[in-house]
Amino acid sequence: NAGVTQTPKFQVLKTGQSMTLQCAQDMNHEYMSWYRQDPGMGLRLIHYSVGAGITDQGEVPNGYNVSRSTTEDFPLRLLSAAPSQTSVYFCASGGPGTQYFGPGTRLLVL
Amino acid sequence: AQSVTQPDIHITVSEGASLELRCNYSYGATPYLFWYVQSPGQGLQLLLKYFSGDTLVQGIKGFEAEFKRSQSSFNLRKPSVHWSDAAEYFCAVGGDTGGFKTIFGAGTRLFVKA
Repeated sequence: NAGVTQTPKFQVLKTGQSMTLQCAQDMNHEYMSWYRQDPGMGLRLIHYSVGAGITDQGEVPNGYNVSRSTTEDFPLRLLSAAPSQTSVYFCASGGPGTQYFGPGTRLLVL
Repeated sequence: AQSVTQPDIHITVSEGASLELRCNYSYGATPYLFWYVQSPGQGLQLLLKYFSGDTLVQGIKGFEAEFKRSQSSFNLRKPSVHWSDAAEYFCAVGGDTGGFKTIFGAGTRLFVKA
């Protein structure tokens, strides 16, 4: 099993550009989520999903969209990037009581 | 509101010394509690978790944590620290979804002196 994979590992965007952060898992987990990590703030939940077709907002959803068309994939979309979205993004998947984290995507918005 | 407080931004201990990282939480129901470790440039790895039962929980890499409901605390301990333990440690609390919608603390960075 590859576990949780994220692409790209690193991305530089200009303000106003859009992009999609990819996340995939091969463990057949129902639950998937996206976090952002900023210095001194730990991880903050952006969006999460409890199954295909079902998503909901976390603590900091503004500026991000998600969809869950399959169990395996949970992409995160930035429609119009802003410098405040410069961060490290982690995807996680799991079942009851357990989350497995991907390696992260480092995003820089200029 | 749910919250997690890790009072220490960073801690320095000597190799071989004992370690305790503090965590306090606020949660309206029975909490699910977690400790994660993150090495530089890496993702998060689960050290241990508490759902119910014995309040002293054993984890990987020789770590343990004790749940104290009266103090709303879930402190992480290790009897003898190794240089490889230098990392950032995150305490987290979740609900009966079993860890999803998890709230993380700001983290404590551990430095280990030779």
